[in-house]
Amino acid sequence: SQKIEQNSEALNIQEGKTATLTCNYTNYSPAYLQWYRQDPGRGPVFLLLIRENEKEKRKERLKVTFDTTLKQSLFHITASQPADSATYLCALDGEGSGYALNFGKGTSLLVTP
Amino acid sequence: NAGVTQTPKFRVLKTGQSMTLLCAQDMNHEYMYWYRQDPGMGLRLIHYSVGEGTTAKGEVPDGYNVSRLKKQNFLLGLESAAPSQTSVYFCASRDPDRGGYFGPGTRLTVL
Repeated sequence: SQKIEQNSEALNIQEGKTATLTCNYTNYSPAYLQWYRQDPGRGPVFLLLIRENEKEKRKERLKVTFDTTLKQSLFHITASQPADSATYLCALDGEGSGYALNFGKGTSLLVTP
Repeated sequence: NAGVTQTPKFRVLKTGQSMTLLCAQDMNHEYMYWYRQDPGMGLRLIHYSVGEGTTAKGEVPDGYNVSRLKKQNFLLGLESAAPSQTSVYFCASRDPDRGGYFGPGTRLTVL
């Protein structure tokens, strides 16, 4: 069966450090991999999309890598700030289901001053 | 440009009651989705639509029905609510080459 696994434990880091979150998947051949941010009581917010033929994508302090051989994506937040504290979700396109996204359960990030 | 809006924001139902959740998007997206989010379970796809007049089942469709009569609207219905349907419901729309846009969610409690 298809699985998307993210760090199950919360990630606590100090302000200014780089946060690295992991997403591993099995039994998928996704065209796209996406990362979202979700704050308590709110809907997910899209951050970055990376295509299967791309290795790396950057946006401001965010960087995503995509290794289709390892079936893994890494999500980096550099120079982290307390405002980056949230749950981060990895999502893959479901095959044959109208580009519906299948989500991992998310990793909670806490950035302390 | 409001993005994706959902109505209502909160609702409490008794077992056996029915209700409809409304989702509207103003981005002219063909693809729309309904998810539910439960603690420890993550976001799970209920139904989706690839265009006006189309609907399809997702991962957890039982107990729900949907309709997409207009491109901008996607309705989720519960015909006979059960306590297991207590959840937070999110609607989303998407351009396939871009990320998804999610609504603010509807928090539903079934007693």
